[in-house]
Amino acid sequence: SQTIHQWPATLVQPVGSPLSLECTVEGTSNPNLYWYRQAAGRGLQLLFYSVGIGQISSEVPQNLSASRPQDRQFILSSKKLLLSDSGFYLCAWRSSGTRNQPQHFGDGTRLSIL
Amino acid sequence: AQSVTQLGSHVSVSEGALVLLRCNYSSSVPPYLFWYVQYPNQGLQLLLKYTTGATLVKGINGFEAEFKKSETSFHLTKPSAHMSDAAEYFCAVSDKTGNQFYFGTGTSLTVIP
Repeated sequence: SQTIHQWPATLVQPVGSPLSLECTVEGTSNPNLYWYRQAAGRGLQLLFYSVGIGQISSEVPQNLSASRPQDRQFILSSKKLLLSDSGFYLCAWRSSGTRNQPQHFGDGTRLSIL
Repeated sequence: AQSVTQLGSHVSVSEGALVLLRCNYSSSVPPYLFWYVQYPNQGLQLLLKYTTGATLVKGINGFEAEFKKSETSFHLTKPSAHMSDAAEYFCAVSDKTGNQFYFGTGTSLTVIP
């Protein structure tokens, strides 16, 4: 069966520090991969999605970036964190085989910026 | 572009009462529709999905939803609320490729004992 792993579960970082969040998927090949951010009490904001290695689509301009160095690995990065980057970050995957497949989410990373 | 509207950001029901969470979508093509549940500090878990076929869809934990094309709605229901149903619920629609999902802003369900 397929599983998705996100780490770390919680992270506290000072303003201006770098960021690297990692997400890996097991049990499937060539998945679509997604990064979302969820601010406190808000809905989901799509940040990036990828339909293949090295293919990244950015949905919002910001100081975050994403990379997909391997088929089932998706990394969210920042060179300098801002206070506004605080939030709950969710990685998701979806089978690319057919159009009606749902997205499946990881357990999320709670990021607090001090 | 597709969009999803969830009416009521907060819904409270008594334990044992009917749960009704509303979702309306905007789509120019027949959509794929999904309901997810999120418990505190966790990711989203798929409750149910509508793709094609029967318009009444049954999901996990006793939830079901009915696709009504004429009303562009996909409301989520459960006949009898349980304390464990207290969570955030999100409705979503995918684009015609299935690659992008559009989520509603969520409805927080409180169950009163």
